[in-house]
Amino acid sequence: DSGVTQTPKHLITATGQRVTLRCSPRSGDLSVYWYQQSLDQGLQFLIQYYNGEERAKGNILERFSAQQFPDLHSELNLSSLELGDSALYFCASSFSLLGGGPGELFFGEGSRLTVL
Amino acid sequence: EDQVTQSPEALRLQEGESSSLNCSYTVSGLRGLFWYRQDPGKGPEFLFTLYSAGEEKEKERLKATLTKKESFLHITAPKPEDSATYLCAVQSDAGKSTFGDGTTLTVKP
Repeated sequence: DSGVTQTPKHLITATGQRVTLRCSPRSGDLSVYWYQQSLDQGLQFLIQYYNGEERAKGNILERFSAQQFPDLHSELNLSSLELGDSALYFCASSFSLLGGGPGELFFGEGSRLTVL
Repeated sequence: EDQVTQSPEALRLQEGESSSLNCSYTVSGLRGLFWYRQDPGKGPEFLFTLYSAGEEKEKERLKATLTKKESFLHITAPKPEDSATYLCAVQSDAGKSTFGDGTTLTVKP
């Protein structure tokens, strides 16, 4: 158990819909990262927050947005969903801006999104 | 742009047959290189951090080594429970982490 909690574990929705994925980081971790993992692709970095502020952006679509709240939990919002958005979405956390040790990320179990 | 290339994509071994996985990287200022293990449908699990060329880390049947351009994950006498996808990642001085596509290891009893 990494200490990172993601909900929901599974989500099935239709094209055009909007969903919100939630992540609670490890106790004490200030950085939250979101990654997308599709069947034919590796882990793709989406976005990073540190103590409530956006710190880095990766290949995140404009239809996607995220935020980190004062209690450090984070939400990833996916809108106008397309079939190609079906993937595993992972949240990871680390203590510092530059990573836990540095760089060590602790991943949640992921949220599996299926868009029909 | 930082890049991480892992080879082979897939590796099938007999139980007890030792081998190595490769991770080649280019990064603008290496802050650290990381190995993770990922089981199907699960999140990656941290294994090792390597900071500088020549460094080695060991954990049970796994040993990770680092040179200036690549890292190796050596698996000695693997067991079926070592079957997983092994991911390599580099972190640049700017703090950005880049992952490779992984090597899927299958160990047959």
